[in-house]
Amino acid sequence: AQSVTQLDSHVSVSEGTPVLLRCNYSSSYSPSLFWYVQHPNKGLQLLLKYTSAATLVKGINGFEAEFKKSETSFHLTKPSAHMSDAAEYFCVVSRSGGYNKLIFGAGTRLAVHP
Amino acid sequence: GAGVSQSPSNKVTEKGKDVELRCDPISGHTALYWYRQSLGQGLEFLIYFQGNSAPDKSGLPSDRFSAERTGGSVSTLTIQRTQQEDSAVYLCASSLVAATSTDTQYFGPGTRLTVL
Repeated sequence: AQSVTQLDSHVSVSEGTPVLLRCNYSSSYSPSLFWYVQHPNKGLQLLLKYTSAATLVKGINGFEAEFKKSETSFHLTKPSAHMSDAAEYFCVVSRSGGYNKLIFGAGTRLAVHP
Repeated sequence: GAGVSQSPSNKVTEKGKDVELRCDPISGHTALYWYRQSLGQGLEFLIYFQGNSAPDKSGLPSDRFSAERTGGSVSTLTIQRTQQEDSAVYLCASSLVAATSTDTQYFGPGTRLTVL
């Protein structure tokens, strides 16, 4: 079975400082991992995905994530936060080789202060 | 091009009434998914369609919930005899190819259902 744990329900940063959103996964199979973002009253948007190619994955809006199998982690980072990054972020796992049933983490709400 | 669309955007209903939620996937996408987002349960998978068939209905919470897809395109999620615990945002997603774990799912804006 697959599961995802997002270690922080809320993260608050100042504009211009780095962002770190932590995610640990559990999977009996080689996983595919995703980060999605949800802005208020908007749909879910894919930030990036890991599919067993490069372990460092670059996404949109300057975000990136590193797949670390030994730590079963897939943390999301950005060097410098922007006010527009304030949103809810979901770490997601699906089973590699199977159809794409997504298992969502509980979400991390990112607040960015001026 | 057009993304995934869902209607209505908001639905308020009385307990015990039936509701239908509609999803129009991106044209040409063969796989379609329904999820539910609620305060207590987070984001949960409900059902997956490949074409018009539903190989996985394991997430449907009860037999009051059903879904169909016609013409390999539009899908309808029906909730019969709605209960207050059905209040949630219902999200639809579609993906291009025969579903694989790497295929990107594109989400619609959701339907917010409120059961009074």
